[in-house]
Amino acid sequence: EAGVVQSPRYKIIEKKQPVAFWCNPISGHNTLYWYLQNLGQGPELLIRYENEEAVDDSQLPKDRFSAERLKGVDSTLKIQPAELGDSAVYLCASSFASQGRNEQFFGPGTRLTVL
Amino acid sequence: AQSVAQPEDQVNVAEGNPLTVKCTYSVSGNPYLFWYVQYPNRGLQFLLKYITGDNLVKGSYGFEAEFNKSQTSFHLKKPSALVSDSALYFCAVRDSYNFNKFYFGSGTKLNVKP
Repeated sequence: EAGVVQSPRYKIIEKKQPVAFWCNPISGHNTLYWYLQNLGQGPELLIRYENEEAVDDSQLPKDRFSAERLKGVDSTLKIQPAELGDSAVYLCASSFASQGRNEQFFGPGTRLTVL
Repeated sequence: AQSVAQPEDQVNVAEGNPLTVKCTYSVSGNPYLFWYVQYPNRGLQFLLKYITGDNLVKGSYGFEAEFNKSQTSFHLKKPSALVSDSALYFCAVRDSYNFNKFYFGSGTKLNVKP
C-alpha cells in the first residue's frame, strides 16, 4: 500500500511569489492534516480536514495561506504571496480518525525555501 | 491546555547501552500519547502509542515506552541502542476535546555512537 504522497519534495522561490503543495493521503483515510515544521522543531498544525470539511484552521494564516481538499481525497496547500519566514518543511499526514486512537501517517514533506 | 514537553534537545548514548528519551505531558482527562521518529529528509514514522491498559507499551524497532500517570510522563526506552536509531524523536498528545487534534513536542535528537 502506498503511503502519503507529497509533491514537490523541494521548492525554491523568491519572496512574493505564489507556491502550491500537493498531498495524496492513504486510501480510506478520512482525516488529513497539514503541518508546518521549522528546523529543529516539532510539527505545528496548520489545518485539519475531516473528509472535505476543514474542521480546524485556526492556525492557518488566512491572509496568505489557503487550502482545499477536493472530494475528500487529495489536498492542496497554497501560499500567496510567500514571505521569507515561510521557509520550512510542510508535512501532510492522514489517519483514519477514531476518537484520536489512531496514529497519523506522514508524507516526506515539501521543503520550501523562500529567497 | 494540552501540551507535551521534551526536556532534552539531544541525548547521546553508546551503541549497546540502554537509551531513554523523556516526555512529560499536560492534558485534561485521559491522555492518548504517541511517539514518532523522524530520519533526515523524511516524514515522521509512528513508533508506539498509549491509549489505555498496560503502562508499558511495546512498539516498533524494539522500542517501548512507560506511561506514568503520577509523574505525567511517557518516556521512550530501548534496552540496547543501535547506531541506526540515531534520529529525531517526537512525543505527541491528543487534544482532550478535539479528538483528532494532536500536539507535538519540540523533539529530541538521539545520537548513538559506535
